[in-house]
Amino acid sequence: DTGVSQDPRHKITKRGQNVTFRCDPISEHNRLYWYRQTLGQGPEFLTYFQNEAQLEKSRLLSDRFSAERPKGSFSTLEIQRTEQGDSAMYLCASSLGLTGRDTEAFFGQGTRLTVV
Amino acid sequence: GEDVEQSLFLSVREGDSSVINCTYTDSSSTYLYWYKQEPGAGLQLLTYIFSNMDMKQDQRLTVLLNKKDKHLSLRIADTQTGDSAIYFCAESGLGSNYQLIWGAGTKLIIKP
Repeated sequence: DTGVSQDPRHKITKRGQNVTFRCDPISEHNRLYWYRQTLGQGPEFLTYFQNEAQLEKSRLLSDRFSAERPKGSFSTLEIQRTEQGDSAMYLCASSLGLTGRDTEAFFGQGTRLTVV
Repeated sequence: GEDVEQSLFLSVREGDSSVINCTYTDSSSTYLYWYKQEPGAGLQLLTYIFSNMDMKQDQRLTVLLNKKDKHLSLRIADTQTGDSAIYFCAESGLGSNYQLIWGAGTKLIIKP
């Protein structure tokens, strides 16, 4: 297993377009997280999945954002009608579970979105 | 909501020790983590400490936890140029429903 992988690494899009990012977690990991990170800030929680169930969404996540994890493996994050304020690094992480060392989150390299 | 705070910058001379500090508010914090982020790279877990521990040492890294004051520190001995990065403190616990709560990161600058 090569760890958490995200695709694409970079995305430039025009304002108003829709974009979709993909995350492949570490294969046996049950939890998958999406974060957003802007320059000079720590990661900002967006949403997370326990297997295929989306258990929590940040209040920061507008209706333009949707995430899926259809079979409890890979996940997609879609942003509709992108705005310049959506420009950020989108990070995906996975962890084995809820307790003990299982909470350790492993991060992908991120997808850098630039909205022009 | 729960919060984690760090100073934004730390400048040290190569070969000296670096001490990066973090404070948090979650009284039920269970795990505390230090992550490293190099330019253009993802977040790499450096070390973590369970809340019933006071100290953890791993090669050049020493983590100290003062649970009473809700203060966490990361000491890097013999700081090298390769240690230049942003260091994030994060915690998880019952107060955050075991979500990671992140500090804004401390940029470690190494002076020759």
